[in-house]
Formats: sequence, C-alpha cells, structure tokens
Amino acid sequence: QSVLTQPPSASGTPGQRVTISCSGSSSSIGNNFVNWYQQLPGTAPKLLIYKNNQRPSGVPDRFSGSKSGTSASLAISGLRSEDEADYFCASWDDSLSYVFGTGTKVTVL
Amino acid sequence: QITLKESGPTLVKPTQTLTLTCTFSGFSLSTTGVGVGWIRQPPGKALEWLALIYWDDNKVYSPSLKNRLTITKDTSKNQVVLTMTNMDPVGTATYYCAHYIDMARGGYYFDFWGQGILVAVSS
Repeated sequence: QSVLTQPPSASGTPGQRVTISCSGSSSSIGNNFVNWYQQLPGTAPKLLIYKNNQRPSGVPDRFSGSKSGTSASLAISGLRSEDEADYFCASWDDSLSYVFGTGTKVTVL
Repeated sequence: QITLKESGPTLVKPTQTLTLTCTFSGFSLSTTGVGVGWIRQPPGKALEWLALIYWDDNKVYSPSLKNRLTITKDTSKNQVVLTMTNMDPVGTATYYCAHYIDMARGGYYFDFWGQGILVAVSS
C-alpha cells in the first residue's frame, strides 16, 4: 500500500507564507489527482484543495495547491492564526486504495 | 445542504464486530458519481481510509483491512453501514463517514464529512 509522506510540522508568523510538501509515487500522486484536507483542532477534516489545485467554494485564495511528478505541495500565504491546524494530502493509488498523507501540523508563531 | 452523521457503539470488546451507521441527507446515493466512504483516525494520528461504496453499488476496500470490512447501502433510508470484524485495541479511533464525488476528469474527493464517532476497543 502506498504512503504519502509529509513533514510532521511547519510554522510561520502571521502574514508569512508556509509550504507543505507531500511525496508519493508513480502509482499514487504520479498517476492521480491530489486533494488536501484541513483539520482544525477537535473537528472533522474539511476539503481544502481538490484536483491538485482547485479550491472549493468558500476556501480563501490564500490556499493554493500544486503538483509535479510524484509530489504535491500546499501553500498558505498571508498566514493567519485561524490556519493553525493539521493538513493532510490524499490521493488514489493504482491499487484502488485511497491514501492519506502522514499529516503536517501547522503552528502560527 | 449535505449532512452526514455517524452512529453506533462507543465501546466494543476485543474480537467483537463493530457496526457503524452513516445517516445522510441532502443527496441521493443513487445519483451517478456519488459515493459514501468511511475513514478513521486514531487519537493524535493520521487519517486512514477504510471503504467506499458507489452509487452503482460498486465497493472498494482498504487492502490491509479488506478481509474484515463490509460496506452496504440502503438508498431508501439514506444510510450506509460499515461492519468491521475482529476488533482489537488498535482500532480505537474516531470513525468518520464522508460524501464522495467522482467527476472523472473533474476530480474525485471527499467533500462533506460527518462529525465522527469515537469508538474505543477495550475489555
């Protein structure tokens, strides 16, 4: 089963830009769309980015996604205190398994 | 609007079977491209996808748990049921159900989630 690897933590001061990486393989990210989920403390995950770089209605344009080869990235620009949360990337794998990333905790200093 | 809510036991004993129900509103599970999935999250850990059932009754399971999982739907009741056999303490987690949309080249993702139900596995 594929694994999507993320850094365990990332941080920044208000207003800064923070980037989170998500590393997969040719059978996961390399061949499928990437989605990103935000999980605020004590709440259910929320869809943040779908199809690599698309934002659902209501998601601020401070959040952006990209994909290149077998890796993907989530960028948060103009970091705000309410962005403090866990972030998970996700993708289908060619073995018909939906795989979540290991998760990144974002801290606003 | 789309809402989902998980229900079931909050405590099960090791070796028992866990049965969870997802009751939803705001969409039909007979609509092309729609599905409902289950995802779990142990305390302080990452999300783990378990199973997904599609509008056409096609079912997909996590390869590592496939032998222990069964997902079914009752379209008339707007419910999806997940059963997991032979529970053990590592199965202690919050279990979420989520609405899934498959738009092929338009993307495929879980876009609405239930609040989750915390299930403890302990004797």
